[in-house]
Amino acid sequence: AQSVAQPEDQVNVAEGNPLTVKCTYSVSGNPYLFWYVQYPNRGLQFLLKYITGDNLVKGSYGFEAEFNKSQTSFHLKKPSALVSDSALYFCAVRDMRGSQGNLIFGKGTKLSVKP
Amino acid sequence: NAGVTQTPKFQVLKTGQSMTLQCAQDMNHEYMSWYRQDPGMGLRLIHYSVGAGITDQGEVPNGYNVSRSTTEDFPLRLLSAAPSQTSVYFCASSGSGGPSYEQYFGPGTRLTVT
Repeated sequence: AQSVAQPEDQVNVAEGNPLTVKCTYSVSGNPYLFWYVQYPNRGLQFLLKYITGDNLVKGSYGFEAEFNKSQTSFHLKKPSALVSDSALYFCAVRDMRGSQGNLIFGKGTKLSVKP
Repeated sequence: NAGVTQTPKFQVLKTGQSMTLQCAQDMNHEYMSWYRQDPGMGLRLIHYSVGAGITDQGEVPNGYNVSRSTTEDFPLRLLSAAPSQTSVYFCASSGSGGPSYEQYFGPGTRLTVT
């Protein structure tokens, strides 16, 4: 079965500290992986994606993610967290069963950055 | 560009009522989709469309209908609302290449069915 898991419902970080939001996946073939962010009462916004190439992907707002094929992980990272990074973060993987490229989303991780 | 717009923002329905959630995009995107977001369950795909006149079911299509008569509009119809359809609904669109590239999301419609 194709799936994506976000093992932490919530991550708490102090402002200025590095942050990591975890994501693991299970798909057949080479994965297409994504991170989206949702601020309160807003729609989701695209942060970054991995399709092929360098395992370290850089995205919007200073975020990056590291693709690890052996661990089937795609963790989201940022060297220095900001209070404004507090939001709900979704990892997603392309559903390889169809040709349309629909996405399968994880359940989301709430990131809370305290001053 | 307005991007992806959704109306209404909030709606309360009684069980058995029907309604249409509107979605429009002005980016000339071929791919459009509807998701529902429930606490602890992430986003689940309801229906999607790869172009005008072409729609297909996603993971949770029961109780919902869609049509795509133009590139711009992709309305979602609830035929007979049930409390289990209480959720936040998001419409999204993607350009060439489909959702395996960046998806643009609307602001959402918060629906309560009593």
